[in-house]
Amino acid sequence: NAGVTQTPKFQVLKTGQSMTLQCAQDMNHNSMYWYRQDPGMGLRLIYYSASEGTTDKGEVPNGYNVSRLNKREFSLRLESAAPSQTSVYFCASSESSSLDQPQHFGDGTRLSIL
Amino acid sequence: QKEVEQDPGPLSVPEGAIVSLNCTYSNSAFQYFMWYRQYSRKGPELLMYTYSSGNKEDGRFTAQVDKSSKYISLFIRDSQPSDSATYLCAMSAYNFNKFYFGSGTKLNVKP
Repeated sequence: NAGVTQTPKFQVLKTGQSMTLQCAQDMNHNSMYWYRQDPGMGLRLIYYSASEGTTDKGEVPNGYNVSRLNKREFSLRLESAAPSQTSVYFCASSESSSLDQPQHFGDGTRLSIL
Repeated sequence: QKEVEQDPGPLSVPEGAIVSLNCTYSNSAFQYFMWYRQYSRKGPELLMYTYSSGNKEDGRFTAQVDKSSKYISLFIRDSQPSDSATYLCAMSAYNFNKFYFGSGTKLNVKP
């Protein structure tokens, strides 16, 4: 039972390069989320998809785009990477976007931008 | 001011100790409270979920919410080395669209 799978696990980019982070869940969840985790900052929501076909901005969306490819997959794209986007990125899913539903997280993508 | 404050630690205790982990918050509307455990190089995993005030117990873990003080706690009894991890609190309210996460407290349980 894989849960939430993120690829790649690690990536190093140069400033200005583009990159797509992939996320897939096998729990038949309707809602999916992208967070970034920085030291001392906690998890911050970048974008979320309450259901297939919808996406919405979170707390820190600038510099990112997302695609909800189907019910299972939710990708995060950096069009022109900047050093400030160096972070650990987590994808999560939940049965619905209702706030009483727990979110299940993947193991993260560690992204460094030089 | 951050919505949710959490002491980063590290908190180091001997095996078998009772551990108290805490978060304070500023928004009195919060009513959903969660605790996540995050091992090194892993994603957060849900430990406890409580709604509104009161206590909830699950095995060695007890979550406590004091809404009058805007303070939540996670107690771990008979702590084990396998409890060594970072503990994140998260909270939200009915009409919000996201969770607010604390920055995490790192716990080290020494054998």
